[in-house]
Amino acid sequence: RKEVEQDPGPFNVPEGATVAFNCTYSNSASQSFFWYRQDCRKEPKLLMSVYSSGNEDGRFTAQLNRASQYISLLIRDSKLSDSATYLCVGLFGNEKLTFGTGTRLTIIP
Amino acid sequence: DTAVSQTPKYLVTQMGNDKSIKCEQNLGHDTMYWYKQDSKKFLKIMFSYNNKELIINETVPNRFSPKSPDKAHLNLHINSLELGDSAVYFCASSQASGYNEQFFGPGTRLTVL
Repeated sequence: RKEVEQDPGPFNVPEGATVAFNCTYSNSASQSFFWYRQDCRKEPKLLMSVYSSGNEDGRFTAQLNRASQYISLLIRDSKLSDSATYLCVGLFGNEKLTFGTGTRLTIIP
Repeated sequence: DTAVSQTPKYLVTQMGNDKSIKCEQNLGHDTMYWYKQDSKKFLKIMFSYNNKELIINETVPNRFSPKSPDKAHLNLHINSLELGDSAVYFCASSQASGYNEQFFGPGTRLTVL
């Protein structure tokens, strides 16, 4: 079983809608989690860190549920520019980022 | 100014050849990484260096040899290239290892024929 698992999608969502992704992890010792964003044929870039208390950055909200071992990303009022692959990332063993396979999101006009 | 740069951007070569990919970061970071992203877009760490010292070495064939001449550079040399080596290779850096944000280079798309 992969350490970090995501639904690969694709998610095709109309502009303005709210969309949510989940990601599950298998290693309960994981310390930190992140969401990275990767545009087509580009490098991954940090979108936001994920805290147990939940955190918000504009239209984006991230949550971590340690009891159920999943993290989530919610995007409100989606824009065309939100189309990308969203990578769920866990930090294991204090040194190594482990990436999920990514969830592909397309926002439709 | 580009923060993390890689050369070349594209590399097409024959099976059996030896090739190198170079990476440089001008962020003053202590830690650098090499990742491989395969055709299924799965991004997996290969190596990590902290202040020129190897700290992560995943299960990677020993045909792959990283070299860090200084903490701003981490190069990747690949011997005897195989078809399965075709992928996008990303270099990244972070201020320190652990939970610091990693900044990725633009990637090197390697195609082995």
